[in-house]
This record gives sequence, structure tokens and C-alpha cells, in this order.
Amino acid sequence: KNEVEQSPQNLTAQEGEFITINCSYSVGISALHWLQQHPGGGIVSLFMLSSGKKKHGRLIATINIQEKHSSLHITASHPRDSAVYICAVQAGNKLTFGGGTRVLVKP
Amino acid sequence: SAVISQKPSRDICQRGTSLTIQCQVDSQVTMMFWYRQQPGQSLTLIATANQGSEATYESGFVIDKFPISRPNLTFSTLTVSNMSPEDSSIYLCSASVRGYGYTFGSGTRLTVV
Repeated sequence: KNEVEQSPQNLTAQEGEFITINCSYSVGISALHWLQQHPGGGIVSLFMLSSGKKKHGRLIATINIQEKHSSLHITASHPRDSAVYICAVQAGNKLTFGGGTRVLVKP
Repeated sequence: SAVISQKPSRDICQRGTSLTIQCQVDSQVTMMFWYRQQPGQSLTLIATANQGSEATYESGFVIDKFPISRPNLTFSTLTVSNMSPEDSSIYLCSASVRGYGYTFGSGTRLTVV
């Protein structure tokens, strides 16, 4: 069993729909990160969480430390949100990555 | 947060040759990391590079194959040596930024033919 599990693996949405990506982990962590990877390969850090909830624009990230679970929500999705979203957990200085969720938002 | 410039962005190389990937950070960072992302897979840590010390390699990665330099607090290189088609991957560098988390380079897409 992988230490970091993401679901779904693939997601297709119509523009404007609400999107949720889930991440479960099985190890102790100091923080959890949500990352966005575009087709060229570059990665952008979206959120770093250690508790509670964070919001940036149309993106919301939550974490439940007791349940070892985090969610990333995209409100009013747009085709430019199409990317791979990766959950990564941090222990010490090291990151362990989930398998990623490939999101396609159709116009 | 810090910004990392990574180059080359892509390359096609002959088997048996070596490629050096460079990452330049626009501010001083203590820890830098090198990752490999094989096709369809998530990121795997190759090694951690601290300035002034030898890089620390993860299980399955060795210095002879992936030598790393870290001459100062803003720069690092990863060399992929004696390449084979199995080395075709995206290679990414990353830096730990205090209070922010991690910043990533734009990736190097390597194809070995």
C-alpha cells in the first residue's frame, strides 16, 4: 500500500463544475502540500497545510490530521485548470508524493 | 517565494552519453532536491544536495550514475551519466524555502535514443 493515495486518478468536468480531489496518507507528517503540474512538466506549489483550511482564489484545501486526509477543491472550474494535481506529504525535509490526479475541464 | 531556473527544458541524447542539468535559484537556499519522474509515474527523490557537503542519495540511486554538484547556496547541477533509454524521464530540481514550503524548477524532459 502506498503511503500517499489520491483519488480519483482521472477526472473530467464541464466548465463551471465543482471539483474535489482527495488525498489519504498513512504516515506521520509535518505538513501536506498540494502541487499542480502542467503538461510541460513544471510544478507549481498551490498550498502547504498543517491544519485546517486554506483558500486561494477558486482553490480551497482542507486537511484533517486525525483522519489523515486532505481534499483540494476547485470552484467554478475553467479549462485552464486542466493539469495534474499532486498531493505530497512532508516528514522532516522529505516529500512523498501521491500518484497524481489528471484533471480535464472541458469548455 | 524563490524562483528556480532550470535548463535545458528538454533534450534528446544518444545512449552512452551524459547530460548535465542546471538549476539556478534567485535566492539562497539551504537544501535542494533532485527528482525523477518516469512516464506516467509520480516523482521519485534521487538525492538531497546541501551546500558544502556530499549529496545524500536515495535507495536505488548512486553517485556514479547521477553525480550532483552544489557549489553555492543558489546553484546545483545533476548529471545523468552513461545514459540508456531507461533514463528517459522528466528530471526536476526543488528547493526548500523557509516558511513557504518547496519551489520547483520547470523540469527537464530527457529522451534517450
